[in-house]
Amino acid sequence: QKEVEQDPGPLSVPEGAIVSLNCTYSNSAFQYFMWYRQYSRKGPELLMYTYSSGNKEDGRFTAQVDKSSKYISLFIRDSQPSDSATYLCAMRVTSNTGKLIFGQGTTLQVKP
Amino acid sequence: DVKVTQSSRYLVKRTGEKVFLECVQDMDHENMFWYRQDPGLGLRLIYFSYDVKMKEKGDIPEGYSVSREKKERFSLILESASTNQTSMYLCASSLKSGSLNTEAFFGQGTRLTVV
Repeated sequence: QKEVEQDPGPLSVPEGAIVSLNCTYSNSAFQYFMWYRQYSRKGPELLMYTYSSGNKEDGRFTAQVDKSSKYISLFIRDSQPSDSATYLCAMRVTSNTGKLIFGQGTTLQVKP
Repeated sequence: DVKVTQSSRYLVKRTGEKVFLECVQDMDHENMFWYRQDPGLGLRLIYFSYDVKMKEKGDIPEGYSVSREKKERFSLILESASTNQTSMYLCASSLKSGSLNTEAFFGQGTRLTVV
């Protein structure tokens, strides 16, 4: 079993839809949770960062962490064609090395 | 702007060749990483380094080695390239993780094809 599981999709939605992306994990020691966005032929870029449990909102994006269920989510409201990308969840334990464990990535297409 | 630069965007190498992938970062980050990205498998960690001359194996180190002689540079070496090493290789760097803000910055990637 992978430490971090993410449905690879692909996911296709109409413009304006609410998108929900999810990851589950098995390591209860994970404390830091991130979402990266990767456009085609580019490296991943950090989108959202959450420490421990709770919600975090940034514009149209909301990240949720439920440590009791070992489940994290990213919600995109009013999705735009420019949101079309691969979304990768990542997480790490408390250590000095910053070693990140990634999910498989979900490819999202938002159709105009 | 933080910049992580990988020496090549595209490489084609022959089976059995020794291959060097170079990565340079300009933000004085302590941590550097090499991942490979394959469809359906996401990013898998090959090796990482948390200080000059220090290295640790990631999840899939077999067939690879690394070198970190200077803080800003982290090299990935394929000792004898094989076709199953055809992949996208991504380098990343981050600050030492004592602080909360440990965003990993990625390079553009090197798409390596081994024929």
